[in-house]
Amino acid sequence: DIQMTQSPSSLSASVGDRVAITCRASQTIVGYLNWYQQKPGEAPHLLIYGASSLQSGVPSRFSGRGSGTDFTLTISSLQPEDFATYFCQQTFSRPHTFGPGTKVEIQ
Amino acid sequence: QVKLVESGGGVVQPGRSLRLSCAASGFTFSDNGMHWLRQAPGKGLEWVAVIWYDGGERNYADSVNGRFTISRDNSLNTLYLQMNDLRADDTAIYYCARETYPSGFSVFDSWGQGTLVTVSS
Repeated sequence: DIQMTQSPSSLSASVGDRVAITCRASQTIVGYLNWYQQKPGEAPHLLIYGASSLQSGVPSRFSGRGSGTDFTLTISSLQPEDFATYFCQQTFSRPHTFGPGTKVEIQ
Repeated sequence: QVKLVESGGGVVQPGRSLRLSCAASGFTFSDNGMHWLRQAPGKGLEWVAVIWYDGGERNYADSVNGRFTISRDNSLNTLYLQMNDLRADDTAIYYCARETYPSGFSVFDSWGQGTLVTVSS
């Protein structure tokens, strides 16, 4: 199975900050990388697919980039509703494994 | 709109069985592969099982293979997960999710609210 890691595991930031979260795969996954947001008590919500494509309805302050093994999710200007946990997921090969998550907290 | 509603969770003793259901609405259920995923308390997401749109193929995580069975009834728009020989480490919130392929990329674009399974004596 492909192993996914994320860094940092958590971060503290303020409203308006630019935030970047990194995801790394144990082998190349080309561009088969999704990002999900999960708020406490809720199911995950798809943000980005194919490493850089924004899911319909997701604000444009979210962006993704990367290919091969290294990927980044960026929030250009953090909003109060963005405080959540973010997971990456590879879909290059089954099982489609997830990263351990990055919790974004209010500073 | 797409809606997925899980049910069937609860407290169960180790070694016992439980069946989860996921009622789907708002889309043509028989068009999509469907998945079960789980999340242990305070932990990350773990994929559990998938069933093809027509039920023709199923795959399982190693951690549940041989104990869990995924199935679907397309006439009832319902997904199931039969869980046998439950263990403490099966304790988690179980989510059903729809798989779609925007631009050829597999995604879970819709999730249920989850149902909590607690395995404890």
